[in-house]
Amino acid sequence: SQQGEEDPQALSIQEGENATMNCSYKTSINNLQWYRQNSGRGLVHLILIRSNEREKHSGRLRVTLDTSKKSSSLLITASRAADTASYFCATDPNYGQNFVFGPGTRLSVLP
Amino acid sequence: EPEVTQTPSHQVTQMGQEVILRCVPISNHLYFYWYRQILGQKVEFLVSFYNNEISEKSEIFDDQFSVERPDGSNFTLKIRSTKLEDSAMYFCASRRQGSEETQYFGPGTRLLVL
Repeated sequence: SQQGEEDPQALSIQEGENATMNCSYKTSINNLQWYRQNSGRGLVHLILIRSNEREKHSGRLRVTLDTSKKSSSLLITASRAADTASYFCATDPNYGQNFVFGPGTRLSVLP
Repeated sequence: EPEVTQTPSHQVTQMGQEVILRCVPISNHLYFYWYRQILGQKVEFLVSFYNNEISEKSEIFDDQFSVERPDGSNFTLKIRSTKLEDSAMYFCASRRQGSEETQYFGPGTRLLVL
């Protein structure tokens, strides 16, 4: 698998349900970040978790990081139709020199 | 809230033509980046720029590509002779100095090469 692989590739849930997306990576990292992209639009930064952190919260978002398994998860609780977007994890192996993005998870939240 | 801006939002060009994509990073940021995203694919790193020079570039960033910071605010990506496969969304990003590692992305320029 490539650095920053998300799964599932697509996820469809009902409004109010929780959505969980996973990301796996291969090399060591300094931090991992999650971004959101609405169709055809730019990338919006959601949350950053550092390599020495295990869990982080921001509003309805909860991110976990397991460096031993080289994986991260993004949980969106109580999803809304407006959460419909693609979600990407980006790993930072080189102190901000460049990000390595995964292919993303396309989330559809149905009203 | 400050944000990265990019112009134009869309550009259509003929194969072989030169294009310049423009970005205005967030004003107190010192690190600048270009990424591209071919339709339906992942975001790919092209180049990073700091202190008026390229600090890192990917294999995609070949001799057809160049970047410049012509003044105190703009950051440009030039493609000298566009190819069909250059059609993509191009994102500019910027980052503050120091331990702030988050890169803030612009809305992108959609480039279509015919």
